[in-house]
Amino acid sequence: QKEVEQNSGPLSVPEGAIASLNCTYSDRVSQSFFWYRQYSGKSPELIMSIYSNGDKEDGRFTAQLNKASQYVSLLIRDSQPSDSATYLCAGTSSGNTGKLIFGQGTTLQVKP
Amino acid sequence: SAVISQKPSRDICQRGTSLTIQCQVDSQVTMMFWYRQQPGQSLTLIATANQGSEATYESGFVIDKFPISRPNLTFSTLTVSNMSPEDSSIYLCSAWRGGYNEQFFGPGTRLTVL
Repeated sequence: QKEVEQNSGPLSVPEGAIASLNCTYSDRVSQSFFWYRQYSGKSPELIMSIYSNGDKEDGRFTAQLNKASQYVSLLIRDSQPSDSATYLCAGTSSGNTGKLIFGQGTTLQVKP
Repeated sequence: SAVISQKPSRDICQRGTSLTIQCQVDSQVTMMFWYRQQPGQSLTLIATANQGSEATYESGFVIDKFPISRPNLTFSTLTVSNMSPEDSSIYLCSAWRGGYNEQFFGPGTRLTVL
């Protein structure tokens, strides 16, 4: 099992819909989780972090963490064409060293 | 957030040569890291740049190939040595502020080896 797994997509949603991006992780990844957005040709941009079980909301974005199921998700409400990008899920390993382990990324396409 | 700059932004190099990439952060950070992103792939951690001591390399990466320096809390360099076309990639530095548990990335260096 890969340490952090994502469906590479592409995930296609119509403008205004909710986009749901999912990520699972192994026992080696256990501390904190991050969602990054990466536009083509650009570096990753931090969208949200989540450390505790449950939901965390920031504007149109909601991150969800379920440690029992080893599952992290990102919901994007009212999706816009400008949200079209690759979304990278990352987790940290134990020891709070800051080292990130990335999933393969999910490509999101929001169609007008 | 931390503002991170990298130089050069891109370069085209000949096989067998070396390139040093610089990373500057606008504030003191706990840790700095170097990642590689090959075309169409996700990010892979190369090493942790430790301030004042030798870098800590991940499996598959060695100091002779990727020497790293971090002379202070805001600056680091990565050298890609004896380059081959397989080293063509984007190299990204990141900065982690432990107290905030946030990690930000520089704009990246796009390297092409001919």
